[in-house]
Amino acid sequence: GENVEQHPSTLSVQEGDSAVIKCTYSDSASNYFPWYKQELGKRPQLIIDIRSNVGEKKDQRIAVTLNKTAKHFSLHITETQPEDSAVYFCAASTPIDDYKLSFGAGTTVTVRA
Amino acid sequence: DGGITQSPKYLFRKEGQNVTLSCEQNLNHDAMYWYRQDPGQGLRLIYYSQIVNDFQKGDIAEGYSVSREKKESFPLTVTSAQKNPTAFYLCASSIGGQVMNTEAFFGQGTRLTVV
Repeated sequence: GENVEQHPSTLSVQEGDSAVIKCTYSDSASNYFPWYKQELGKRPQLIIDIRSNVGEKKDQRIAVTLNKTAKHFSLHITETQPEDSAVYFCAASTPIDDYKLSFGAGTTVTVRA
Repeated sequence: DGGITQSPKYLFRKEGQNVTLSCEQNLNHDAMYWYRQDPGQGLRLIYYSQIVNDFQKGDIAEGYSVSREKKESFPLTVTSAQKNPTAFYLCASSIGGQVMNTEAFFGQGTRLTVV
């Protein structure tokens, strides 16, 4: 099955700086890559996603890039703010198992004021 | 708030006892999922159900059981056969079909501690 690895496991950034989280996946057929944000004590929520026919997608201060050749995708957060502090999970799904997501281990992002 | 509700938030049980975690949704979603979250391991799929009265094993189903008698409810039973049941359990629901076409909505989770 699909295996998703996520790095780094923790990330501390100064407010206003950028944060980048990278995920690699094992199944070259994977075609959908969402990112979820889980604030402390709250439920995970979808913040952005990308499909395999797109190389980059932006939504205000967050963007996701996909490199299908290298089988990796990344989340970029610019101009970080304290409310960006959370655990971020990447995930992937394949056409064969299109009912489920395989998640990475998560990255704990701390934005220092 | 409405949406998907898990109860209780914290649950303590003695080793060897079965325990059932509740998950209810009022989103009229067909699909429901149970995940287990452990430190450093992300979310792992335990069971999922695409429609009422039907469910399938996920990646780590051993020691767990589920039922889907109603569209709104997808309870998870952690049995005594589960060797390491202490964990944070998340329930999710979606409209159904391919995950790329539907967002998964999560409950707030139940932290189970077995002593």
